Amino acid sequence: DGGITQSPKYLFRKEGQNVTLSCEQNLNHDAMYWYRQDPGQGLRLIYYSQIVNDFQKGDIAEGYSVSREKKESFPLTVTSAQKNPTAFYLCASSTTGDINEQFFGPGTRLTVL
Amino acid sequence: KQEVTQIPAALSVPEGENLVLNCSFTDSAIYNLQWFRQDPGKGLTSLLLIQSSQREQTSGRLNASLDKSSGRSTLYIAASQPGDSATYLCAVKTGANSKLTFGKGITLSVRP
Repeated sequence: DGGITQSPKYLFRKEGQNVTLSCEQNLNHDAMYWYRQDPGQGLRLIYYSQIVNDFQKGDIAEGYSVSREKKESFPLTVTSAQKNPTAFYLCASSTTGDINEQFFGPGTRLTVL
Repeated sequence: KQEVTQIPAALSVPEGENLVLNCSFTDSAIYNLQWFRQDPGKGLTSLLLIQSSQREQTSGRLNASLDKSSGRSTLYIAASQPGDSATYLCAVKTGANSKLTFGKGITLSVRP
């Protein structure tokens, strides 16, 4: 089955801790993305990567970090510098080029205790 | 900067009604527009993608149209069913990179 997997589905973090969210795809897509979704705010782009070993900041990158060492994987670390990390996090992937259809994973809900 | 608007934020209709969901965008220089469905607590499911050179796309009971010059797209749902209840989001690709700009979505409730 081709698709995008995210783990864990639910994650609880104490204040001051870093946590890493996993995203893996087997669609052979070059581009991968991380979004944050809050009630009433819509989806906001955190980071994106269009090729291995390269990534760019999105609209709300502060307090987050990413790596792209493999084409299939794009993990997101939520650091202690992120002041309000409780949210629903969505990973997506797409081809590159002029026309790109984005496909999404099932999401990770992060709650800070 | 591209902005995408979806109004109203919520809509409730009786089962069987044909309905139209609207999406507007401020910069008409888009590459493509994508409609998504999101069920509560789930990821987004891609419904339809319309390229900038296309006027519409159809999938089953769904039909999406695009009027680039006026900055509008509509998602038409025929013979709505309770299973269509979800949040529908539209998103546009404006730049040469692959980023999308999303609207905040329309939460649809179809009453039995």
